[in-house]
Amino acid sequence: SQQGEEDPQALSIQEGENATMNCSYKTSINNLQWYRQNSGRGLVHLILIRSNEREKHSGRLRVTLDTSKKSSSLLITASRAADTASYFCATVTSGSARQLTFGSGTQLTVLP
Amino acid sequence: EPEVTQTPSHQVTQMGQEVILRCVPISNHLYFYWYRQILGQKVEFLVSFYNNEISEKSEIFDDQFSVERPDGSNFTLKIRSTKLEDSAMYFCASSEWPLLGQFFGPGTRLTVL
Repeated sequence: SQQGEEDPQALSIQEGENATMNCSYKTSINNLQWYRQNSGRGLVHLILIRSNEREKHSGRLRVTLDTSKKSSSLLITASRAADTASYFCATVTSGSARQLTFGSGTQLTVLP
Repeated sequence: EPEVTQTPSHQVTQMGQEVILRCVPISNHLYFYWYRQILGQKVEFLVSFYNNEISEKSEIFDDQFSVERPDGSNFTLKIRSTKLEDSAMYFCASSEWPLLGQFFGPGTRLTVL
């Protein structure tokens, strides 16, 4: 798979449930970031986790990073209809301070 | 809350024409980026810019592309001779420092006919 591949590709849940999305990558990274994109709109930065961190929280978001497995997960707790969007992981490769390499994203649908 | 703005929101052009996409990054940010997203595909990095010069560019960013910061607020992407395959959403982004989260604009949808 390519750098920054998310699974599942699509996820549909009921409001109030938790949503978990996974991301795998191939190269050594400096940090990994998660972004949200509402249909036809720009990307919104959600959370950043550095390569020396294992877990990070921000509000209803929880991100984990396992550098030995080259994988990350994003957990959204108590989901809301407004969380419906595409979620992308993006990596900053070690040695590069500039470019984000995006995955193909998970389309999350939260049903009211 | 400060935000990145982009103009126009939609640009339609004929193949072979030049287009300039404009961006106003967040005012205290020093690092600027362009990405593109072809419909149904991943967001792809094009170029990063710092201190009035290109810091990194991808293989997509060939000689038909150029970037410029013509004044203290604007950041532009020029495509010299557009091709059909340049049709995509182009996103500008900025960050205060490298290795921090990037703030993205709403994008310009470029349609090449």
